[in-house]
Amino acid sequence: QSVLTQPPSASGTPGQRVTISCSGSSSNIGSNYVYWYQQLPGTAPKLLIYRNNQRPSGVPDRFSGSKSGTSASLAISGLRSEDEADYYCTAWDDSLSGVVFGGGTRLTVL
Amino acid sequence: QVQLVESGGGVVQPGRSLRVSCAVSGFTFSSYGLHWVRQAPDKGLEWVAFIWFDGSHTYYADSVKGRFTISRDNSKNTLYLQMNSLRVEDTALYYCARVVVTTTEPYFDYWGQGTLVTVSS
Repeated sequence: QSVLTQPPSASGTPGQRVTISCSGSSSNIGSNYVYWYQQLPGTAPKLLIYRNNQRPSGVPDRFSGSKSGTSASLAISGLRSEDEADYYCTAWDDSLSGVVFGGGTRLTVL
Repeated sequence: QVQLVESGGGVVQPGRSLRVSCAVSGFTFSSYGLHWVRQAPDKGLEWVAFIWFDGSHTYYADSVKGRFTISRDNSKNTLYLQMNSLRVEDTALYYCARVVVTTTEPYFDYWGQGTLVTVSS
């Protein structure tokens, strides 16, 4: 059971907009930055969103992040086949004094 | 360019020990914090441990606390994870990851390719 809660799966058709939620608590999302990572099959995770809503250079602006209270979300607009991957949210947890991850969401592009 | 290369994985029996390493190049090793993150087969990411840039602070997941030790040798540009009293549930691909800033934020900009640890009798 992960400390951060994500839906196990999400799907959409090319061109659609999908959102992936991430629910936590006051000790993690509620008081710290949220990060999102994308993991393509057979590869290491890649930073997608940092500090709640910032995109590293090279990440398309189709990807956006937001945070409100103890929840965060990742939105992907203009869905493309290459977006098919696993997506993880993560944050520091002050109570655990450690990093916590969501269980991951597998995105399928239909 | 920045490279992190894990090694030392293998098959080990439950209760035994193993040390995995992460050799880095392409940046000033002693200026960056480093984490170990693992991923069991067909499972999600699980954070394992974090060491401050100078080794002054270390943090562990409850699942490995007291059994695993993270350390670094800044003269060898190498990160280590000493794993004792291994359990079947420690079976995973172990990644090392560099953090961008000198905080506890999980702000990983570079990852290695991982080294597979299999705990089995």
